[in-house]
Amino acid sequence: GENVEQHPSTLSVQEGDSAVIKCTYSDSASNYFPWYKQELGKRPQLIIDIRSNVGEKKDQRIAVTLNKTAKHFSLHITETQPEDSAVYFCAASTGLLRAATYKYIFGTGTRLKVLA
Amino acid sequence: DADVTQTPRNRITKTGKRIMLECSQTKGHDRMYWYRQDPGLGLRLIYYSFDVKDINKGEISDGYSVSRQAQAKFSLSLESAIPNQTALYFCATSDRPGQGSDTQYFGPGTRLTVL
Repeated sequence: GENVEQHPSTLSVQEGDSAVIKCTYSDSASNYFPWYKQELGKRPQLIIDIRSNVGEKKDQRIAVTLNKTAKHFSLHITETQPEDSAVYFCAASTGLLRAATYKYIFGTGTRLKVLA
Repeated sequence: DADVTQTPRNRITKTGKRIMLECSQTKGHDRMYWYRQDPGLGLRLIYYSFDVKDINKGEISDGYSVSRQAQAKFSLSLESAIPNQTALYFCATSDRPGQGSDTQYFGPGTRLTVL
């Protein structure tokens, strides 16, 4: 079946360094790619998203890039801070169009630790 | 996000029992979803509903059923609970993707343990 692969599963960086998390999707009908942050004991919350007709999007210290040909997208966090420590999930959705079958598939998550 | 609520927040039950998890939202969204979260597996879609009369199976619907009682309420039932249904369950909502977004807004989660 369709899936989303996410790497790495854990990532430790020094405060101030950059972090990159990568995801690969298989369903070519995917047209929306969100990233969620889940802090310990909390619910997932959207931090940034990108549509399939856009190659890159940036919001302050975070950015997402999309390569439709290769079917992969990445989250970039610059100048990391301790409060960036959390689990990050990517997802691929077919939801922006009237797809025959709606899919919203999450990656397995990356636990990011920012070391002070 | 206080706009999506789930009850109960924690539940311990025994194998074979029927249980119901409830979700309510005040966001006015048409679309509602149930996910389960397991360590190392991420979030997996159980059922989704695009309106009161539209209910669809997700990738792992076996052993679960749902009811959309109103636009604001979406319940998940485990007909006969088994230990491998022990997980963290999230309800989510989303608006119609008219603005190029399919953001999911999650409730606080229900931690279910089946003994």
